[in-house]
Amino acid sequence: AQKVTQAQTEISVVEKEDVTLDCVYETRDTTYYLFWYKQPPSGELVFLIRRNSFDEQNEISGRYSWNFQKSTSSFNFTITASQVVDSAVYFCALSDSNDYKLSFGAGTTVTVRA
Amino acid sequence: DTGVSQDPRHKITKRGQNVTFRCDPISEHNRLYWYRQTLGQGPEFLTYFQNEAQLEKSRLLSDRFSAERPKGSFSTLEIQRTEQGDSAMYLCASSSRTGETGELFFGEGSRLTVL
Repeated sequence: AQKVTQAQTEISVVEKEDVTLDCVYETRDTTYYLFWYKQPPSGELVFLIRRNSFDEQNEISGRYSWNFQKSTSSFNFTITASQVVDSAVYFCALSDSNDYKLSFGAGTTVTVRA
Repeated sequence: DTGVSQDPRHKITKRGQNVTFRCDPISEHNRLYWYRQTLGQGPEFLTYFQNEAQLEKSRLLSDRFSAERPKGSFSTLEIQRTEQGDSAMYLCASSSRTGETGELFFGEGSRLTVL
């Protein structure tokens, strides 16, 4: 069974601060995908980033970066120089390679204050 | 708008009534997923289709729930004899089997309130 744990319930920062969101996952699959989604107040889940299990290279995409470590089953996500528009609930999710069915964590609410 | 659309966006019903939600996926996507999200929780998988075939159903999907995708395009999710515990946001998503990222594209959801 797949499981995703986001230990942080809420994070509040002042604009321009960096925000790091933690994610720990469990899976028996050797091939899997990890995702981060954003859910703004409007409710629609928005895809942010994806990483497959064979690629532990950490990357930066604009203000987003991630740290994938298979040894600790962690997939942490960082927003650099946060903005008020980043305020949302962020979900870490896991899927296998066959059906892309996502297992979500409980989410972390990020509030960025001006 | 070429995204995933869901209808209705909000539904208030009395306990015991039946409700039906509709999802129109992105047109070229052959996979369609239904999720349920309760307040303060992440979405939970309910079921998914590849074309018109329903390939998997979660144990969360009781006998009162039924989903269809008759022509491999839009899908409906029906809840019979609604209970207060059914109150949630019902999310639909679609994806392409041949997509590079496996990304699911979500609609804005249908919020159900059972009184």
